[in-house]
Amino acid sequence: EAGVVQSPRYKIIEKKQPVAFWCNPISGHNTLYWYRQNLGQGPELLIRYENEEAVDDSQLPKDRFSAERLKGVDSTLKIQPAELGDSAVYLCASSMGVSLSYGYTFGSGTRLTVV
Amino acid sequence: GQQLNQSPQSMFIQEGEDVSMNCTSSSIFNTWLWYKQDPGEGPVLLIALYKAGELTSNGRLTAQFGTTRKDSFLNISASIPSDVGIYFCAGQLSNTGNQFYFGTGTSLTVIP
Repeated sequence: EAGVVQSPRYKIIEKKQPVAFWCNPISGHNTLYWYRQNLGQGPELLIRYENEEAVDDSQLPKDRFSAERLKGVDSTLKIQPAELGDSAVYLCASSMGVSLSYGYTFGSGTRLTVV
Repeated sequence: GQQLNQSPQSMFIQEGEDVSMNCTSSSIFNTWLWYKQDPGEGPVLLIALYKAGELTSNGRLTAQFGTTRKDSFLNISASIPSDVGIYFCAGQLSNTGNQFYFGTGTSLTVIP
């Protein structure tokens, strides 16, 4: 079974430029999460989707961040415009449901560097 | 957000030694998780704990859900070089889908 696939693996952009990250969850997983991991820190939740509905986006900086999960499968996270402080690893994870007994799998992440 | 404090922040041990690390919070959690993250990869779930006092093993790893529900512990016995990585605890406030809060991690280095 393929895991959670993220692309690109690395991205370097200048500040004020837009950037987008893509995530393909494990087939059949209806719950999808975007996390941000700053250097030396644990992951922090940005947004959670149940199918195509964003059910928890309270920690998503909505002035510059947006996300979508059309058709309830793939998801895209966008930053526009990017700031220096957005440099981090952006992790996508998926699970069959919100209960831990279904498992909770992370992708390898996209490492963003804003210069 | 919730603050999960992990200690120690880093560990340097000899191969074959046992390892202990812990995670504490000011809040009560219903679920505790332990993850391992290798460089350039996402975290991988090691152990999940669902009940206060629960003790669960996964090979050489043993984790416990603290009786106060505000802490959890992870032990690794007879460490090997591939145990190197960063270990994160994560807590979930309820079973209804609330977010997981991650600790700041414990970096483990195993010296052959």
